[in-house]
Amino acid sequence: RKEVEQDPGPFNVPEGATVAFNCTYSNSASQSFFWYRQDCRKEPKLLMSVYSSGNEDGRFTAQLNRASQYISLLIRDSKLSDSATYLCVVKEEFNTNAGKSTFGDGTTLTVKP
Amino acid sequence: DVKVTQSSRYLVKRTGEKVFLECVQDMDHENMFWYRQDPGLGLRLIYFSYDVKMKEKGDIPEGYSVSREKKERFSLILESASTNQTSMYLCASSLGRVNEQYFGPGTRLTVT
Repeated sequence: RKEVEQDPGPFNVPEGATVAFNCTYSNSASQSFFWYRQDCRKEPKLLMSVYSSGNEDGRFTAQLNRASQYISLLIRDSKLSDSATYLCVVKEEFNTNAGKSTFGDGTTLTVKP
Repeated sequence: DVKVTQSSRYLVKRTGEKVFLECVQDMDHENMFWYRQDPGLGLRLIYFSYDVKMKEKGDIPEGYSVSREKKERFSLILESASTNQTSMYLCASSLGRVNEQYFGPGTRLTVT
């Protein structure tokens, strides 16, 4: 079983749709959580950090459920420019793995006109 | 804005050559990382460094070595390049161990 698992893609949605991605992690020592966006043949770029209380940035909302060990990303009013691969990332804060990030394999989103 | 730069965007090398990939960050970050990314395998950590002259093995260190002589620079070395090292190589840095990472644009290495 992978340490970080994401919804298998691809997601194909029309413009204006709401889409949600889930990501589960197996290591209960994970302390920091992030969503990255990666465009084709480009580097991953930070989309948002995920806080225990949940956080929102415009059309994007991220949530963390520590008890069930998953994080989610909700995109409202999808735009064509949201088409990308979304990577879930978890980090341990302590012990010998502190600072190492574990990346999910990513979920591909295509927003169509 | 954090800037992470990598020495080359595209590189073609022959089997057996020694290859140097350079990464520089300009934000005084403590931590630096080298990953490779392959279709279907995602991002895999090769080596990382928490401080100058310090290095830690990641998940796939075999065939690679690293050097961090200065805080801002982290080099990845392929001692004897092989065709299975053809990949996209991504460098990243972070301020502290729990902070987000910022990536360079990547080097697409082809070993023939």
